[in-house]
Amino acid sequence: AQSVTQLGSHVSVSEGALVLLRCNYSSSVPPYLFWYVQYPNQGLQLLLKYTSAATLVKGINGFEAEFKKSETSFHLTKPSAHMSDAAEYFCAVTRGGNEKLTFGTGTRLTIIP
Amino acid sequence: GAVVSQHPSRVICKSGTSVKIECRSLDFQATTMFWYRQFPKKSLMLMATSNEGSKATYEQGVEKDKFLINHASLTLSTLTVTSAHPEDSSFYICSAAPGQIVNQPQHFGDGTRLSIL
Repeated sequence: AQSVTQLGSHVSVSEGALVLLRCNYSSSVPPYLFWYVQYPNQGLQLLLKYTSAATLVKGINGFEAEFKKSETSFHLTKPSAHMSDAAEYFCAVTRGGNEKLTFGTGTRLTIIP
Repeated sequence: GAVVSQHPSRVICKSGTSVKIECRSLDFQATTMFWYRQFPKKSLMLMATSNEGSKATYEQGVEKDKFLINHASLTLSTLTVTSAHPEDSSFYICSAAPGQIVNQPQHFGDGTRLSIL
């Protein structure tokens, strides 16, 4: 069985500050990990993915995440927050592309001007 | 990049009506499509996995006679909410996985906001 835990349902950071959204996973097989972003009343947009290649993954909009097997973590970071980053972020795990995704509960990111 | 189109984006209808939601992969073939339901301020709950040419696999607790899924082609899956009631009001999202390429992520539609009066 697979699961994802996102610590912090709400995170607020000042514009220009570091963004850190936490994700820990549990998987009995080597996982594929993803971060998705959701804007209000929209579907999910893929930010980045980890598929057993490089452990530091760079995504769109300046986001990156580091896969740490020893910590079973896949935290999402961005060096400098922008107002447009305000959204809901979901971490997800799967065994493969055609397998179902298991989502975390999501983290709502608020950017303070 | 891969695009998934979901239609309609919003539906408002009376209780007892059946509503069909379409999910299309526009530039790739999707052997597998997924249907999710999202409650306000909540995460996505997988309802069913739809495989082209075969019956959908429903998650525990999801009524298959209530939520009919058809995946008749490699680019189209439909979800029909039969005899909808107010408690079926929700945000429904589909996703599609490109073919047999293992490392390819799922791509999501923009969702359908269903409101039953």
